[in-house]
Amino acid sequence: AQSVTQLGSHVSVSEGALVLLRCNYSSSVPPYLFWYVQYPNQGLQLLLKYTSAATLVKGINGFEAEFKKSETSFHLTKPSAHMSDAAEYFCAVSDPGFQKLVFGTGTRLLVSP
Amino acid sequence: KAGVTQTPRYLIKTRGQQVTLSCSPISGHRSVSWYQQTPGQGLQFLFEYFSETQRNKGNFPGRFSGRQFSNSRSEMNVSTLELGDSALYLCASSLRRGEQETQYFGPGTRLLVL
Repeated sequence: AQSVTQLGSHVSVSEGALVLLRCNYSSSVPPYLFWYVQYPNQGLQLLLKYTSAATLVKGINGFEAEFKKSETSFHLTKPSAHMSDAAEYFCAVSDPGFQKLVFGTGTRLLVSP
Repeated sequence: KAGVTQTPRYLIKTRGQQVTLSCSPISGHRSVSWYQQTPGQGLQFLFEYFSETQRNKGNFPGRFSGRQFSNSRSEMNVSTLELGDSALYLCASSLRRGEQETQYFGPGTRLLVL
């Protein structure tokens, strides 16, 4: 069965610092991986997705993620954090044949001035 | 193009009642999925509809049901509400079925069961 693990339920950074949110996956087949962001009292917004076309995926709002098969990882990064990046971030893997996303437990990003 | 819309946005019910939530997918999208989000269990898949047929179902009791109409709009129903059903219910739509398809989420319906 597909699964994802997000290390760190909370990550704190200063404005302007590097953002690194970790995601490791488990998949029996080449995975389709997604990162979503959730702002308070809102739904999920797609940041980026990996579909095997390129290992480095660029998304919206300056975020990018690198797929590393050898490490079964798909970590999300942003070179310089903004206050507006404070939100909860979810990594997800698509479950083949079941048309469903399997989500990690989420990482809340806190950005301090 | 308008995004996924869900109504109502907030709902308060009491134990034992039933509730119906509505989801309108992005125009042209034919697959609709539902997820439940709670602090304790996180995001969990409820079910998926495509062409008015339930294609997949998550590990939820039969009190949770849904349907899809010919215009791809979907409803989910929860009968005999329990306190533990308090959650954010998210609807997502995608153009087609398939693990490579991107699911676009609505703002959710927040259900509080008293």
